[in-house]
Amino acid sequence: AQSVTQPDIHITVSEGASLELRCNYSYGATPYLFWYVQSPGQGLQLLLKYFSGDTLVQGIKGFEAEFKRSQSSFNLRKPSVHWSDAAEYFCAVTRRGSTLGRLYFGRGTQLTVWP
Amino acid sequence: DAMVIQNPRYQVTQFGKPVTLSCSQTLNHNVMYWYQQKSSQAPKLLFHYYDKDFNNEADTPDNFQSRRPNTSFCFLDIRSPGLGDAAMYLCATSRAAQNTEAFFGQGTRLTVV
Repeated sequence: AQSVTQPDIHITVSEGASLELRCNYSYGATPYLFWYVQSPGQGLQLLLKYFSGDTLVQGIKGFEAEFKRSQSSFNLRKPSVHWSDAAEYFCAVTRRGSTLGRLYFGRGTQLTVWP
Repeated sequence: DAMVIQNPRYQVTQFGKPVTLSCSQTLNHNVMYWYQQKSSQAPKLLFHYYDKDFNNEADTPDNFQSRRPNTSFCFLDIRSPGLGDAAMYLCATSRAAQNTEAFFGQGTRLTVV
């Protein structure tokens, strides 16, 4: 069965510090991989996605993620965090060939940013 | 401009009283999804429509139903809401062609009293 693990429930960083959010997946084959962000009371916004090719993908708002097949990981990074980045971040996967909204999500990582 | 619109944003219903949540889209996507997100949990897929074809997830309770009268609209019906059904309900859409990611609405927060 597929699963997505985000080991960090809550992360706190200072504004301007670097950020890395971890995501590991368990799947029969390499899935499509996504990171979504959710602000309080809001829906989900796509930050970036990985389908194939270059394992370092760039997204919106200065985020990037690196796919590592050997580690079954897809960690999200940002070199310098802004206060507006405070939100909940979800890693998600879907099977290749599936419709791309049929997503399995990790439990999420809540990001707090200190001024 | 909002592309996936959910109404209402907040819904309060009584225990056992049927309730309907609405989702509309201006993207002309042929796939529509309903997710349930309980407090501090990951969104969980309930079902999706591929055009007019309804696809239920294996563990979605029978208490949840859905209708899609046309491409633009999709409804979530909860026949007899229980306290455990209080959650944020998210609608999403995608185009079946590959490399077209899902777009989410802002959600409807359902409270059961």
